[in-house]
Amino acid sequence: QLILTQSPSVSASLGASVKFTCTLSSGYNNYPIAWHQQQPEKGPRFLMKLNTDGSLTKGDGIPDRFSGSGSGAERYLNISSLQSEDEADYYCQTWGTGIRVFGGGTKLTVL
Amino acid sequence: EVQLAESGGGLVQPGGSLRLSCAASGFTFSHYEMSWIRQAPGKGLEWISLISSSGNTTYDADSVKGRFTISRDNAKNSLFLQMNSLRAEDTAVYYCAFGGGFGYWGQGTLVTVSS
Repeated sequence: QLILTQSPSVSASLGASVKFTCTLSSGYNNYPIAWHQQQPEKGPRFLMKLNTDGSLTKGDGIPDRFSGSGSGAERYLNISSLQSEDEADYYCQTWGTGIRVFGGGTKLTVL
Repeated sequence: EVQLAESGGGLVQPGGSLRLSCAASGFTFSHYEMSWIRQAPGKGLEWISLISSSGNTTYDADSVKGRFTISRDNAKNSLFLQMNSLRAEDTAVYYCAFGGGFGYWGQGTLVTVSS
């Protein structure tokens, strides 16, 4: 079964960097991943997608502070130079034939 | 500019029905699979329904299977979700999105199931 696993929460200081991890369930290592941000009381916003060929496609206006990568079953979202507005929930998401799946989300607290 | 505008939400009693709509613009609607995603209060995002670009094939999450029906009108660039036998746990903001990685989001429409 296709499942995405994310840590429930993470905290980091203003100006620091943070790394989110999204783990694909066994047997699904080769699936693409998208990352979405949801600030408090707002709708989701697409950040980027990491395609199966390793290429990265970022959403409109997403700053260079946001980057993505992957290794094996793990996919990463990195945010550098943390700002207060980065405090949000971050969801990974994948897709295949007839299915779309979200991870449970990771809440980022900026200290 | 890509736009997705969900509508049709509201307050409905348990067991009732509601039909959501999504008006799409700024991309070639008929070329893309479309999905409905929902978010219950204080919870994460949940994909619930997918329809092929032609409308011939649909897929549903177990949580809505047999109760919700997704459909589309490619001539009108519109997506629909017919929701029947609604339950309190269907209370959520409902979003439409297209493609695999959902590159654009609308503002969502709130469905509240309560007596």
